[in-house]
Amino acid sequence: EAGVVQSPRYKIIEKKQPVAFWCNPISGHNTLYWYLQNLGQGPELLIRYENEEAVDDSQLPKDRFSAERLKGVDSTLKIQPAELGDSAVYLCASSLIGRDNEQFFGPGTRLTVL
Amino acid sequence: DQQVKQNSPSLSVQEGRISILNCDYTNSMFDYFLWYKKYPAEGPTFLISISSIKDKNEDGRFTVFLNKSAKHLSLHIVPSQPGDSAVYFCAASYTGNQFYFGTGTSLTVIP
Repeated sequence: EAGVVQSPRYKIIEKKQPVAFWCNPISGHNTLYWYLQNLGQGPELLIRYENEEAVDDSQLPKDRFSAERLKGVDSTLKIQPAELGDSAVYLCASSLIGRDNEQFFGPGTRLTVL
Repeated sequence: DQQVKQNSPSLSVQEGRISILNCDYTNSMFDYFLWYKKYPAEGPTFLISISSIKDKNEDGRFTVFLNKSAKHLSLHIVPSQPGDSAVYFCAASYTGNQFYFGTGTSLTVIP
């Protein structure tokens, strides 16, 4: 069974440019999470979806970050415009509904903003 | 405010010996705890968990201990193997939804 797929794996952009990350969760997993991991820190939740509904987006900086999961499967996280401080690893995870303690993580997208 | 803390950024242990990784938390509402293991360029993978109704959970070479009064949990790996070299994150939750992660401890097992 394929795991959580994320692309791209690495992205380098200049500040003020837009960027988007894509996540394909494990088949059948209704819950999808986006996490931000800064260097030397643990993952921090940005947004959690149950199917296509964002049930927790309290940590998402909505002035520049947006996310969507239109058909309840794949998801896209966007930053516009990117700032230097956005350089980090963006992790996607998925789980079955109600099984939040069994999250499976993708390999992440490492973003570098110059 | 860091609700879950791992105060040791790194740990080195000889192969075959015990590795003890520590984690402290501040929120007494937390009732479920996890340990994740992360290799470079990979996402974290689940290792072992414990709920607040227990004080110990064992899975093969891995044992997690929970001390609720001290708000402290630890992960013991016995015996340690070179393949255990990775970054270990503890995480805690009180709603069963959002998990709060610690900053990680990088374990190196020396052959």
